[in-house]
Amino acid sequence: GNSVTQMEGPVTLSEEAFLTINCTYTATGYPSLFWYVQYPGEGLQLLLKATKADDKGSNKGFEATYRKETTSFHLEKGSVQVSDSAVYFCALSETSYDKVIFGPGTSLSVIP
Amino acid sequence: KAGVTQTPRYLIKTRGQQVTLSCSPISGHRSVSWYQQTPGQGLQFLFEYFSETQRNKGNFPGRFSGRQFSNSRSEMNVSTLELGDSALYLCASSLGSTGNTIYFGEGSWLTVV
Repeated sequence: GNSVTQMEGPVTLSEEAFLTINCTYTATGYPSLFWYVQYPGEGLQLLLKATKADDKGSNKGFEATYRKETTSFHLEKGSVQVSDSAVYFCALSETSYDKVIFGPGTSLSVIP
Repeated sequence: KAGVTQTPRYLIKTRGQQVTLSCSPISGHRSVSWYQQTPGQGLQFLFEYFSETQRNKGNFPGRFSGRQFSNSRSEMNVSTLELGDSALYLCASSLGSTGNTIYFGEGSWLTVV
């Protein structure tokens, strides 16, 4: 079945460091890909999305490119801030009925 | 535009009891789905409703059920609660077509003692 794999962390970075969180997926069709972020004690917020190959999603300085040839959707940010500390989930949406499959989540801590 | 609203936010139940959680989707959204989040299992899909019909279901026992009303609001019910049902239950809504963005609520924290 479809699945999502991502580095679980925890990842600890200094402020202004470069961030990469790797995400790869397995899917039979052409899923939409997402990154969601979860701050402590809160629900999930959509960070960015891409719906087809070579699409680049971007938001709040974060970027990810849908790479069908490598089945990847790595999250990057050039300069992280303390406020970026959260858990990041890579996810895919199957072609039917909005079922979302999530990766295990990557915990990010950014220290001043 | 109001987001996805879930009630109650926090609740404590005793083993063997049942619980009902409520979700109001974003206005205009006809699809509502439910997820369970636990430290051990991560985020797992429970079920999805569209226009009062269940379209998709995850691998959970029959103790977990849901329904959707004509105004798209949804409820999920867990009967005969077990300690392992302690989790954050997240509701999400979307327009209901393939590729639509799914928006999540803040969740309902259920503790079973």
